[in-house]
Amino acid sequence: GAGVSQSPRYKVAKRGQDVALRCDPISGHVSLFWYQQALGQGPEFLTYFQNEAQLDKSGLPSDRFFAERPEGSVSTLKIQRTQQEDSAVYLCASRPPSTTGRGAGELFFGEGSRLTVL
Amino acid sequence: GESVGLHLPTLSVQEGDNSIINCAYSNSASDYFIWYKQESGKGPQFIIDIRSNMDKRQGQRVTVLLNKTVKHLSLQIAATQPGDSAVYFCADPSNTGNQFYFGTGTSLTVIP
Repeated sequence: GAGVSQSPRYKVAKRGQDVALRCDPISGHVSLFWYQQALGQGPEFLTYFQNEAQLDKSGLPSDRFFAERPEGSVSTLKIQRTQQEDSAVYLCASRPPSTTGRGAGELFFGEGSRLTVL
Repeated sequence: GESVGLHLPTLSVQEGDNSIINCAYSNSASDYFIWYKQESGKGPQFIIDIRSNMDKRQGQRVTVLLNKTVKHLSLQIAATQPGDSAVYFCADPSNTGNQFYFGTGTSLTVIP
């Protein structure tokens, strides 16, 4: 499809397990973002990539969270030793190049990966 | 740090009426704002943006108003339809333009 694709859509993990969440951005979008959305809250910034470079990871809540985008397209968000407070929807978004004339705020979000940690 | 917040967590309107969703921000240096719509089970969807050199911008059935004096913006939806039922967020990119501060959202319910 033409949109941002995330997998898995739902993930249930036992506390202490590691999880990996995948994001396929829209082709040609060099900017990629990860957000965390707790129930009833707005999305909170986690990290930002431009191509393969992780330019901002200030929103990652702990060193258990790790994101990568080795070839500048697909990205993976990894959470090690999951805790119950990690339960949330993890949203990936990509942004078209500024040369398309779109505003810097126009992100294209995937449907998210809902993580439940038991 | 920067913060944006919507005035009302929930809003109910009759189908066909106009809806107004309000948002306040705290950073007087903020110069760019975006509105997003999030339907249940989906990711946020961009609606419209506005820069601080404008006080009004119109899209399809939506208008955003910006009042820099009181640091307030609003999203107006004309002739609200059931498909407009969703949570609406105003977002304020940080100075880097690559972090977006979303508010807590206003849940709009359209009554048929």
